[in-house]
Amino acid sequence: DAGVIQSPRHEVTEMGQEVTLRCKPISGHNSLFWYRQTMMRGLELLIYFNNNVPIDDSGMPEDRFSAKMPNASFSTLKIQPSEPRDSAVYFCASSPRAGVEKLFFGSGTQLSVL
Amino acid sequence: AQSVAQPEDQVNVAEGNPLTVKCTYSVSGNPYLFWYVQYPNRGLQFLLKYITGDNLVKGSYGFEAEFNKSQTSFHLKKPSALVSDSALYFCAVREYNNNDMRFGAGTRLTVKP
Repeated sequence: DAGVIQSPRHEVTEMGQEVTLRCKPISGHNSLFWYRQTMMRGLELLIYFNNNVPIDDSGMPEDRFSAKMPNASFSTLKIQPSEPRDSAVYFCASSPRAGVEKLFFGSGTQLSVL
Repeated sequence: AQSVAQPEDQVNVAEGNPLTVKCTYSVSGNPYLFWYVQYPNRGLQFLLKYITGDNLVKGSYGFEAEFNKSQTSFHLKKPSALVSDSALYFCAVREYNNNDMRFGAGTRLTVKP
């Protein structure tokens, strides 16, 4: 298995532009997570899905952020409009099921908003 | 909600010496505890987990962790550190039947030759 695949690997954009981050979880995994990592705030859980349904989006910073999971093999995290303070590394992770299972992380998307 | 604390931002050890990276947790029920490692420009990699049973858990690369319920701790240990162990280490907790995994702030481990 190729693992969790994220794209793009790096994204540089200007303030006000729309940014879409993509994630393909490991086949057969039922849970998908989006995390954001910054020096100041560490690793923050933004949202997670179970069986394609958003379960908890309380970590999403504000309405500019939205996430979708249209099917079991694809998820997007969208920022519109983007701001410089959104600059961070965004990780997607998947897990076979709830509770005891570990998370498998993608390599992340380094987002820079100028 | 569950949470973890890693009290040390940075841990420095000499190669060959034992290392300990500290973690304490807070949950309302039974905890599922995890350690992950992150190398530069990479995603997090799983090291080990505690679900139930023996309090001493062994994981990848010679790491182990000890679950202490009375102290609500889950410290990561290794008897003899290697320079290649230098990385960022994260403790994480999940509650029973809860999909939400919460991470600590991370501890940067530096092993010097």
